[in-house]
Amino acid sequence: GENVEQHPSTLSVQEGDSAVIKCTYSDSASNYFPWYKQELGKRPQLIIDIRSNVGEKKDQRIAVTLNKTAKHFSLHITETQPEDSAVYFCAAGGHDYKLSFGAGTTVTVRA
Amino acid sequence: NAGVTQTPKFRILKIGQSMTLQCTQDMNHNYMYWYRQDPGMGLKLIYYSVGAGITDKGEVPNGYNVSRSTTEDFPLRLELAAPSQTSVYFCASSKRLRDKYQETQYFGPGTRLLVL
Repeated sequence: GENVEQHPSTLSVQEGDSAVIKCTYSDSASNYFPWYKQELGKRPQLIIDIRSNVGEKKDQRIAVTLNKTAKHFSLHITETQPEDSAVYFCAAGGHDYKLSFGAGTTVTVRA
Repeated sequence: NAGVTQTPKFRILKIGQSMTLQCTQDMNHNYMYWYRQDPGMGLKLIYYSVGAGITDKGEVPNGYNVSRSTTEDFPLRLELAAPSQTSVYFCASSKRLRDKYQETQYFGPGTRLLVL
């Protein structure tokens, strides 16, 4: 089955700086890569996703890049704000209807 | 739309007891999922369903059962609860594949289960 590895496990950034989280996947058949944000005690919520037919996608301060050859994808958050503090999960999925999730990255934005 | 709803929010079980976690979605989604999330960990897939009457095992199905008699409901049954089943359980749903790509999974608020 698919195996998704996520790094780093924790990330502390100064407010206004950028944050980058990286994930690798093992199954070359995976074609869908979502990123979820989970605040403490809350449900995971989708913040951005990317399909294998594009290399980059941006939505305001967040962007995701995908390198299919190397089987890795990354989340970039620019101009970080205190409300960006949360746990972020990457995931990978294909035609089998399922997602495999990374272990998560705890992001702390220091004021 | 209420989206994905789950009951109960929190439950304490004794070892060996059984219970059913309820999940309902009102978005007419075909696919539904059950995940467990252990402290500081990612989400592990327990069971999933691609439509009424169709269910399949995920990564960690042992100790659980599911059924899908309607499009809206996807209950998760725990038989003979064990301390290892202490976790937060999330239900999720999504539309069917579009152009061979998965659609967004929407999560319920979760059920926190403690087995003592």
